[in-house]
Amino acid sequence: AQSVTQPDIHITVSEGASLELRCNYSYGATPYLFWYVQSPGQGLQLLLKYFSGDTLVQGIKGFEAEFKRSQSSFNLRKPSVHWSDAAEYFCAVGTQGGSEKLVFGKGTKLTVNP
Amino acid sequence: NAGVTQTPKFRVLKTGQSMTLLCAQDMNHEYMYWYRQDPGMGLRLIHYSVGEGTTAKGEVPDGYNVSRLKKQNFLLGLESAAPSQTSVYFCASSDPYEQYFGPGTRLTVT
Repeated sequence: AQSVTQPDIHITVSEGASLELRCNYSYGATPYLFWYVQSPGQGLQLLLKYFSGDTLVQGIKGFEAEFKRSQSSFNLRKPSVHWSDAAEYFCAVGTQGGSEKLVFGKGTKLTVNP
Repeated sequence: NAGVTQTPKFRVLKTGQSMTLLCAQDMNHEYMYWYRQDPGMGLRLIHYSVGEGTTAKGEVPDGYNVSRLKKQNFLLGLESAAPSQTSVYFCASSDPYEQYFGPGTRLTVT
């Protein structure tokens, strides 16, 4: 069965520091991979997605992610974190092609210290 | 465009009461979804629909029913609410490239 693992439940970084959020997936076919962000009390917003092609994808708000098939990973990165990045981040894999029927990880909560 | 909207935003029910959550989208999407979000559990799919008049079970369908009578609306019903259904409920619709989420409904069952 398809699954997504986000090993870190909670991460704390200082403002201006770099960030990497880990995501590992289990899926037999070519994965469609997504990162969503959820600010407190809000719905989810798409940060970026990988369908095919260049394995380094750029998203909104200065985020990027790299697909590594050999490691079954799709880690999210940002070179310099801003206080407004404090939120919960969810990795997801599309199980029927594209964005249909996503399986989500349990999320990583990011705290940003001033 | 309003995107995906959900009604109501908050609701408190007593055990055994029933209610319906309404989701509406104005993007002409075929696919719509209902998720629940619980602390430390991520989002879990309750039911989904691949088009008007169709529904299908997701990961956690027990205790819920859904209907998709119109393409733009997807209703989630709780016939007899239980405390275990206390959660935040999100509706989403999708095109082939992205799921678009509503703002959520916070439901408390006492």
